[in-house]
Formats: sequence, C-alpha cells, structure tokens
Amino acid sequence: AAGVIQSPRHLIKEKRETATLKCYPIPRHDTVYWYQQGPGQDPQFLISFYEKMQSDKGSIPDRFSAQQFSDYHSELNMSSLELGDSALYFCASSLRGSGNTIYFGEGSWLTVV
Amino acid sequence: AQSVAQPEDQVNVAEGNPLTVKCTYSVSGNPYLFWYVQYPNRGLQFLLKYITGDNLVKGSYGFEAEFNKSQTSFHLKKPSALVSDSALYFCAVRRWNSGNTPLVFGKGTRLSVIA
Repeated sequence: AAGVIQSPRHLIKEKRETATLKCYPIPRHDTVYWYQQGPGQDPQFLISFYEKMQSDKGSIPDRFSAQQFSDYHSELNMSSLELGDSALYFCASSLRGSGNTIYFGEGSWLTVV
Repeated sequence: AQSVAQPEDQVNVAEGNPLTVKCTYSVSGNPYLFWYVQYPNRGLQFLLKYITGDNLVKGSYGFEAEFNKSQTSFHLKKPSALVSDSALYFCAVRRWNSGNTPLVFGKGTRLSVIA
C-alpha cells in the first residue's frame, strides 16, 4: 500500500539558511500534519492542514511556514535556520475524523551546522 | 488540554517473556488512544488504537492494549517478547472532535528485549 512520502530524506544547511521539506500524503487522505522530533524527544506537533486550509497550529516557530497544495501535497518552509532546528521532521496524513489513524512518513533529517 | 504519561523511560525483558509498556492519559471528553513504534532512524509505525467498543484492542505484530477508563490507562502488552520488538514505543492521545485534532505523544519508552 502507498505510504506517506517525504523528501528529501536528509538535508544539511548552514545557520541562517532556508530549507524546504516536501510531503506527499497517502492517496485520498485529506489531512496533512507536520511534526518535529528533536534528538531523544517525543514528536511535537507543528501544524496541520485539511483540504488545503490550515486546521490546527501547534508549536511552529514564526520562522516556519507551511501550505498544502491543490494536489494535497504539503511543504514546510523553514527560514533563518538555527542550530536548534536540527531534528527529524515528520509528515503524516489521515482522513478527516479524530478516530481515523494518522500514518507517518519516514521523516526528513535536517542538520543545521 | 490532553496529555500522555509514559512512566518508564526504559523497559527490559527477556525474550519469550510477556512485556508491558505503561501509558496513562488525560483528556477532556472521550479519548482516542494510539500506540506507535519507532525503530532507529525510522518513521513512526502505527500499532493499534482504541476508539470505542471492547476495552482489549489487538494490533500488529501480536501486540494488544487494554483501555481502562477508571484508571485512565492504555497499557501495551505482548504475551511473548521477541528480540525484534526492541524499539521506541510511543503512546498518543487525540481528543474527540468532529474535525482533525492532532496526536499528542508521550515521552516514549525504550523497550529492550534480551535474548
């Protein structure tokens, strides 16, 4: 079965640079979520989209922005990168409804040097 | 606000023995509860969930979990542990909502199964 696809899998950026992560949800899933997992930490919710509109907002820094496009793929844009942004970024998708399972991608490793 | 507590950072168990990974939750209203597993440098894999119905939920790879409303717990169990079960396990909760509430995760419990 098709899963959530994230790209790139690994990314190295310097401080103050910009990075963009892409996410392709499971076909027919209408909701996309972004999570950040720091080293040894639990995943922290950043932001979610339903039908291309922002649905919920978590602990996403102002330097970050995200959107969902007409083909339902989503991008997370991170600017003015800081060392503390180094983390594993997960995209996940589901069908609308809190009882539905959220499926996660393999993640994108961002290292800021 | 909802929250999840996983009281054990690490659980060690011998191969073939039963295992339990503990989880308690706090949420207003009815909870939707989930377990995910994460292998090193990998994504989160869904194991099982409790939405409604039977308190004992069966999931992937022989895992099961029991929902206990009075104790607000959702412990993960397996009758016979395998070395390949060694991984990081996350309990998560979603608040009931007609829309799409995000998952809130616990801190995770590292399971080590020793041969």
